[in-house]
Amino acid sequence: GQNIDQPTEMTATEGAIVQINCTYQTSGFNGLFWYQQHAGEAPTFLSYNVLDGLEEKGRFSSFLSRSKGYSYLLLKELQMKDSASYLCAVREPYNNNDMRFGAGTRLTVKP
Amino acid sequence: GAVVSQHPSWVICKSGTSVKIECRSLDFQATTMFWYRQFPKQSLMLMATSNEGSKATYEQGVEKDKFLINHASLTLSTLTVTSAHPEDSSFYICSARDLVARSSYEQYFGPGTRLTVT
Repeated sequence: GQNIDQPTEMTATEGAIVQINCTYQTSGFNGLFWYQQHAGEAPTFLSYNVLDGLEEKGRFSSFLSRSKGYSYLLLKELQMKDSASYLCAVREPYNNNDMRFGAGTRLTVKP
Repeated sequence: GAVVSQHPSWVICKSGTSVKIECRSLDFQATTMFWYRQFPKQSLMLMATSNEGSKATYEQGVEKDKFLINHASLTLSTLTVTSAHPEDSSFYICSARDLVARSSYEQYFGPGTRLTVT
């Protein structure tokens, strides 16, 4: 099994930068994902890291350190629509490479 | 892009009845489909993994006789909640991946089905 930990809730101000951390403990690793999920909707893909380092995609960046079992999602120039839950998920190298999700971080962006 | 649909998007049923949820990959063949359940303010919990033409693999604690999964074709998987109870009320989400034609990391989620058991 594996543990995937991320903060439960975070609050930030519109226009600011926020970093959402995720730590994981797993017997195997085949990639880490970040998803955004608005209430009552399915998750939407944000990023994928399989090698160490930073992946940048517009206002969103994701970082991975496999040796530390650590990732973060960085959101810049926050907008009100960024208020959502952000899910960290780790892919296992067995059982069809399915994903295990963290509990999610509920981000509230305030004006 | 790859699209996964679910039907119905929401359903209300009476306790003791069965409900079938369909998950379809619309523009690709899904060799593997995953079924998740999500309770309010909680994350997605994997229920089972299904491969086309074979029996589903259920996660620990998920009753395979209660949650029947059929992945009879490369574009359709169904989840049947049998003898539903109010505690089965949840948001059920499927996702699909094509290990053959697409990048190995891509996994596409359906829009989810909200089940309410009264």
